[in-house]
Amino acid sequence: EPEVTQTPSHQVTQMGQEVILRCVPISNHLYFYWYRQILGQKVEFLVSFYNNEISEKSEIFDDQFSVERPDGSNFTLKIRSTKLEDSAMYFCASSDLGDLQPQHFGDGTRLSIL
Amino acid sequence: DQQVKQNSPSLSVQEGRISILNCDYTNSMFDYFLWYKKYPAEGPTFLISISSIKDKNEDGRFTVFLNKSAKHLSLHIVPSQPGDSAVYFCAASARYEGNTPLVFGKGTRLSVIA
Repeated sequence: EPEVTQTPSHQVTQMGQEVILRCVPISNHLYFYWYRQILGQKVEFLVSFYNNEISEKSEIFDDQFSVERPDGSNFTLKIRSTKLEDSAMYFCASSDLGDLQPQHFGDGTRLSIL
Repeated sequence: DQQVKQNSPSLSVQEGRISILNCDYTNSMFDYFLWYKKYPAEGPTFLISISSIKDKNEDGRFTVFLNKSAKHLSLHIVPSQPGDSAVYFCAASARYEGNTPLVFGKGTRLSVIA
């Protein structure tokens, strides 16, 4: 069964450093998303992406965050200058075109900021 | 901001019995609801969904019921199996076309005891 793959599974970074989280969405999907889950809290929406541009973003997704689809398969989340509070699980998701299409999630990247 | 609430953090059920997981929502604009299952160190896995035009959707052992007037949905698993032990997330969106952010509940940890 096709799946969303994310790399790396765990990223440890010094505060203030840039980090790029990578995702390969399901191949025929057209909508892409990033969510995060801080330890002990809910899964929260960050951003959605369609047709090479951001469709929606939450308040969390400030100027430190950016997304990109650099080629036909990858979808990346960049955090420019990481803060301690960016430590979380980051999940990538994708969905197909059309109504009532569920979002399918990857296994996440655990980001630890030191 | 608790638009989607899962008030039971945990539930224990005997193998073979019915598991009932509950979810309440406050935003009357929500019209598409999903249940996800999550094992440790994995991402949320889509289980079943329902749109607001229905009050029941069934897929094998899993049935989701929606009561729009009460803003309540439930997931029934019957019969419950030990492999069903996981955290179950309720999620909702305000539009069921593509590219729509999901709002998650905090999850309910289900333990199925053999």
